[in-house]
Amino acid sequence: SQKIEQNSEALNIQEGKTATLTCNYTNYSPAYLQWYRQDPGRGPVFLLLIRENEKEKRKERLKVTFDTTLKQSLFHITASQPADSATYLCALDPEDTGFQKLVFGTGTRLLVSP
Amino acid sequence: NAGVTQTPKFRVLKTGQSMTLLCAQDMNHEYMYWYRQDPGMGLRLIHYSVGEGTTAKGEVPDGYNVSRLKKQNFLLGLESAAPSQTSVYFCASTRGRGGTEAFFGQGTRLTVV
Repeated sequence: SQKIEQNSEALNIQEGKTATLTCNYTNYSPAYLQWYRQDPGRGPVFLLLIRENEKEKRKERLKVTFDTTLKQSLFHITASQPADSATYLCALDPEDTGFQKLVFGTGTRLLVSP
Repeated sequence: NAGVTQTPKFRVLKTGQSMTLLCAQDMNHEYMYWYRQDPGMGLRLIHYSVGEGTTAKGEVPDGYNVSRLKKQNFLLGLESAAPSQTSVYFCASTRGRGGTEAFFGQGTRLTVV
């Protein structure tokens, strides 16, 4: 069956450390993968998109990798801050028709302590 | 820019009642989507639209209907609400094809009792 999995346990780290979140998928061959941030009571907010021909993408303190062989994406936040505390969702478009019918993981909650 | 706006933010319905959720976007996006988010399930696509006057079914369409009479608006209807439709509903829009960022509304928390 098709699955997209993120660690359901919260990730607790100290301020200043690097947070690494994992997204694994099964029986999909996505052309791209996206990461979103969701704060409590709010809608998801887009962070980064990485395509299948890209190994790594960076934006300020954020870095995403995409390994189509392992069927895995890693999301890193360097020099983490308490304001980074949120739930992070990965999403992929299984059909790549362009209509972007995204399939989401359940998200990983990140807690950054001062 | 307001982006994507959903109305209402909260609603409590009795089983069997009907209601319409409104989504409005001011970014002139072609594509619009309705998702529901349940604990432990992730966001799941209910219906989507690829342009004014068009709609299509997503992963979990049963019990819902949609309409896109104007490009900027996408309505989600529940004809006869059931407790299983208790959820948080999110509307989203995208500019076009091939992997562009989705813009989400703030969500509507619906409880069916």
